[in-house]
Amino acid sequence: QKEVEQNSGPLSVPEGAIASLNCTYSDRGSQSFFWYRQYSGKSPELIMFIYSNGDKEDGRFTAQLNKASQYVSLLIRDSQPSDSATYLCAVTANNDMRFGAGTRLTVKP
Amino acid sequence: DAGVTQSPTHLIKTRGQQVTLRCSPKSGHDTVSWYQQALGQGPQFIFQYYEEEERQRGNFPDRFSGHQFPNYSSELNVNALLLGDSALYLCASSFGGSGQPQHFGDGTRLSIL
Repeated sequence: QKEVEQNSGPLSVPEGAIASLNCTYSDRGSQSFFWYRQYSGKSPELIMFIYSNGDKEDGRFTAQLNKASQYVSLLIRDSQPSDSATYLCAVTANNDMRFGAGTRLTVKP
Repeated sequence: DAGVTQSPTHLIKTRGQQVTLRCSPKSGHDTVSWYQQALGQGPQFIFQYYEEEERQRGNFPDRFSGHQFPNYSSELNVNALLLGDSALYLCASSFGGSGQPQHFGDGTRLSIL
């Protein structure tokens, strides 16, 4: 079983729609949860981080965490073509960060 | 405010050679982590350095070693290079303890011939 799992996609949404990206993790001791955006040929860029159960909003982005279900998600409201990228979910426990393989998102004009 | 800087940008080596990659953390950060990212995969954790000590290590062989200097910069060394070591090597920095957000450099693209 992979430690951090994401649907590889591709996920395609029209411009202006809500994109929903999901991630599950296997280590119940995980403490911190991150979403990174990675454009093709570039390095990961931090979008959101969340430590506690519930929702955390930052602009068009909302991270949701449910530790009981070992589930974390990212919602992107009013999706723009510039949001087209691979979104990486990352989870930390014991000083190391484990990444999922990423979900490729395409926002169509 | 300088972000994480890595050098070199690209590197081509042959099997059996040794390579050293360098990383300077973001200003104010004291922790450096290294990752290997193969094409189409998420980054894989190699190790993390804090206070000049290896604090945590991922599932990588001893051919991968590192160092952190008093100014918090870091090096990743890989010995006896294999074709499978071809990847993007990413350095990320953060401040303080476990679980803090990490900020990535642009990476070093290593190709093994």
